[in-house]
Amino acid sequence: AQSVSQHNHHVILSEAASLELGCNYSYGGTVNLFWYVQYPGQHLQLLLKYFSGDPLVKGIKGFEAEFIKSKFSFNLRKPSVQWSDTAEYFCAVIKSGNTPLVFGKGTRLSVIA
Amino acid sequence: GAVVSQHPSRVICKSGTSVKIECRSLDFQATTMFWYRQFPKQSLMLMATSNEGSKATYEQGVEKDKFLINHASLTLSTLTVTSAHPEDSSFYICSAVWTGTNTQYFGPGTRLTVL
Repeated sequence: AQSVSQHNHHVILSEAASLELGCNYSYGGTVNLFWYVQYPGQHLQLLLKYFSGDPLVKGIKGFEAEFIKSKFSFNLRKPSVQWSDTAEYFCAVIKSGNTPLVFGKGTRLSVIA
Repeated sequence: GAVVSQHPSRVICKSGTSVKIECRSLDFQATTMFWYRQFPKQSLMLMATSNEGSKATYEQGVEKDKFLINHASLTLSTLTVTSAHPEDSSFYICSAVWTGTNTQYFGPGTRLTVL
């Protein structure tokens, strides 16, 4: 079965620090990869997604993620975080088509002034 | 675009009653919708896959007679929690797959509290 691992349960950063959140998946075939964000009290929102093509994907709010097939990884990055980036971040994978997402357990990011 | 709504956003009910939660894709068609539960400080757990015009597919351990799903149209799926009990209290979230894009968009969730 597919699984998604997010290595960090809780990350605390100061404003302007750089961010990298790890995500590894176990499925060996073709996958579609996603990062979702859940701000406090709000619902899940799509940050970015990778289906094919350029493995460096740019999303909203200055986030980007790099798909490294050989490492089964899809890490999320942001060069300089802001207080408003405080949220829960979920990595997710699907094989293709109308199959359900498999979510990682999430990483809570706290950005302090 | 790609907005998914859920109604109600919050519901409190007595034990033994049934609660219906609606999930609508407002500006796109969704042949497939998914229903998830999210417990506090945890990730989403898939409950079932809802396909328009056919029976829902339930994940192992999810009682299909307790969580009734109806996908009546390409923009609406409903989840009915029958004879709700306090252990059913949770945050229920739906997502809709924009047909042809392989991308799921999430509703805002429904907080169910069973007293």
